Amino acid sequence: GAVVSQHPSRVICKSGTSVKIECRSLDFQATTMFWYRQFPKKSLMLMATSNEGSKATYEQGVEKDKFLINHASLTLSTLTVTSAHPEDSSFYICSAADRQNSSPLHFGNGTRLTVT
Amino acid sequence: AQKITQTQPGMFVQEKEAVTLDCTYDTSDPSYGLFWYKQPSSGEMIFLIYQGSYDQQNATEGRYSLNFQKARKSANLVISASQLGDSAMYFCAMREGGSYIPTFGRGTSLIVHP
Repeated sequence: GAVVSQHPSRVICKSGTSVKIECRSLDFQATTMFWYRQFPKKSLMLMATSNEGSKATYEQGVEKDKFLINHASLTLSTLTVTSAHPEDSSFYICSAADRQNSSPLHFGNGTRLTVT
Repeated sequence: AQKITQTQPGMFVQEKEAVTLDCTYDTSDPSYGLFWYKQPSSGEMIFLIYQGSYDQQNATEGRYSLNFQKARKSANLVISASQLGDSAMYFCAMREGGSYIPTFGRGTSLIVHP
């Protein structure tokens, strides 16, 4: 099946620093990638949808200047958490899919971010 | 209104028994796809099964089957012969034809007892 690689799996950073999370589709071209945030024992909260070569579409309440998303190629999307604060600590997970509604999303393994 | 509703926050089942996880959905789009994912404690999301709105038969994948009742707008996941490794969070999701962005339910935590 399709593979999505997400890196890093865990990161600890200090308040005020920025963290970049990469999401790569390894064996298919992902025209669309989704970035989710997940709190413990909660559902996935969609943060933004990114399409290759265009600006990301952010969900209501998600600060686009805080969570920078770049989808520079059909195989790579990045999420940068800028000037991280402890409240940004969470599990971030990316997924990739084509536009067919019969296609399942292929997920990365997630990144656990801890901001100290 | 919630598009995907999972009413069971937690479920317990004895090993080797079957368990049904509930999912109801709300859409006016005639074309949609329903998905179930498993999320173990390690965090990865594992795709289990898919049901299309026009599919005539219920989907099955090994020990997983989907009880699709279109008129009731329900897509319950049935896991047969539960195993200890089935303990995880389970999410129901939908992709509508008019909007390809998936919507997830709140999830159900399944614990399989030996």
